[in-house]
Amino acid sequence: QQQVKQSPQSLIVQKGGISIINCAYENTAFDYFPWYQQFPGKGPALLIAIRPDVSEKKEGRFTISFNKSAKQFSLHIMDSQPGDSATYFCAATAADSWGKLQFGAGTQVVVTP
Amino acid sequence: ETGVTQSPTHLIKTRGQQVTLRCSSQSGHNTVSWYQQALGQGPQFIFQYYREEENGRGNFPPRFSGLQFPNYSSELNVNALELDDSALYLCASSLDRNGYTFGSGTRLTVV
Repeated sequence: QQQVKQSPQSLIVQKGGISIINCAYENTAFDYFPWYQQFPGKGPALLIAIRPDVSEKKEGRFTISFNKSAKQFSLHIMDSQPGDSATYFCAATAADSWGKLQFGAGTQVVVTP
Repeated sequence: ETGVTQSPTHLIKTRGQQVTLRCSSQSGHNTVSWYQQALGQGPQFIFQYYREEENGRGNFPPRFSGLQFPNYSSELNVNALELDDSALYLCASSLDRNGYTFGSGTRLTVV
């Protein structure tokens, strides 16, 4: 049973465009929602994270939008660059089980020149 | 030394064999978690160690076991390997909930 559902499975966007990845969760105990970026042959690297007490967090070209009532959160990559081509994972964890990240299935993003 | 290092990077084992994977945590991190990532999927939590004690486990059988050492390095042991154990095994270390640093993983192939 996947506790975090991620969509789409893959995404192709032109350079300069916006990439949007969505995630949904059921467990209301989740209180920390990170996004990870993974390149082939590498481990996931933390990109940006949010807690449910805020609705949006922005770091450079990356923005997380969080909707607590809908139990959904999304990653927006603005001005997408070819170097952003990677697999992106959303994740969630709860205070009583920190260290146990529940990952989504991943979204492969390809940014075309 | 910074970062999380894992060894070996690649490994091929025969079904039924045993394997030990190693992880060196980021300096100062007292918690280590292990994940299994099958091809095309998200990482799945195996277990976590905090100060040398297992303090959380995912839905994996007992043939998956681990150790954490006083210097915070750790091992993942898998007995009686099955074909479905073929995956990328990731180690992640952290000091608190705000940052999990992942290693590059060990690619295990069971034939």
